[in-house]
Amino acid sequence: DQQVKQNSPSLSVQEGRISILNCDYTNSMFDYFLWYKKYPAEGPTFLISISSIKDKNEDGRFTVFLNKSAKHLSLHIVPSQPGDSAVYFCAALGGADGLTFGKGTHLIIQP
Amino acid sequence: KAGVTQTPRYLIKTRGQQVTLSCSPISGHRSVSWYQQTPGQGLQFLFEYFSETQRNKGNFPGRFSGRQFSNSRSEMNVSTLELGDSALYLCASSLMARLAGVSSYNEQFFGPGTRLTVL
Repeated sequence: DQQVKQNSPSLSVQEGRISILNCDYTNSMFDYFLWYKKYPAEGPTFLISISSIKDKNEDGRFTVFLNKSAKHLSLHIVPSQPGDSAVYFCAALGGADGLTFGKGTHLIIQP
Repeated sequence: KAGVTQTPRYLIKTRGQQVTLSCSPISGHRSVSWYQQTPGQGLQFLFEYFSETQRNKGNFPGRFSGRQFSNSRSEMNVSTLELGDSALYLCASSLMARLAGVSSYNEQFFGPGTRLTVL
């Protein structure tokens, strides 16, 4: 049973517009959430994170929103740039286990 | 500072064989975690080592094992390979292991992975 779900396998956004990537989770023990970006033939790269005690964290063009009651988080990228084209993974931490990842969303930024 | 290195980058084995993958963490990092990435299951946590001790283990059969050396380098071993073990195996290092019950995060830096193909 998937504890972290990214229901959109791919997303296409025009350059300069906002990209919104969504993630849902089921395990209420998760207390820390992260977004990773992955290019082909490379390992994931940490982008931004949020603790469960917050509902928003911003870093430059990237903002992560957390809605604990809905068990939902989203990553906003504004404005979207061609270099943002990659696979984005949502991940969660709870207890002492390792990261639990979603299956990823392939973001394509169109010129 | 050099990043996480994994060797080999690519590996082809046949069913029933065993394989050992190696991971060298970033200098100063003491925690090493292993993940398996497949198209069907995505990225799944295998295990985490800290100070030569396995701290946590994911839901994988006993054919998957690992160890960590005193210099923090880690190896993972898969015995009696099956076709379904074909995957990208990623290693991640961090300064410390995550503490149970503590809402914190020690950033994990991932290596490029080892692509294992089982024929």
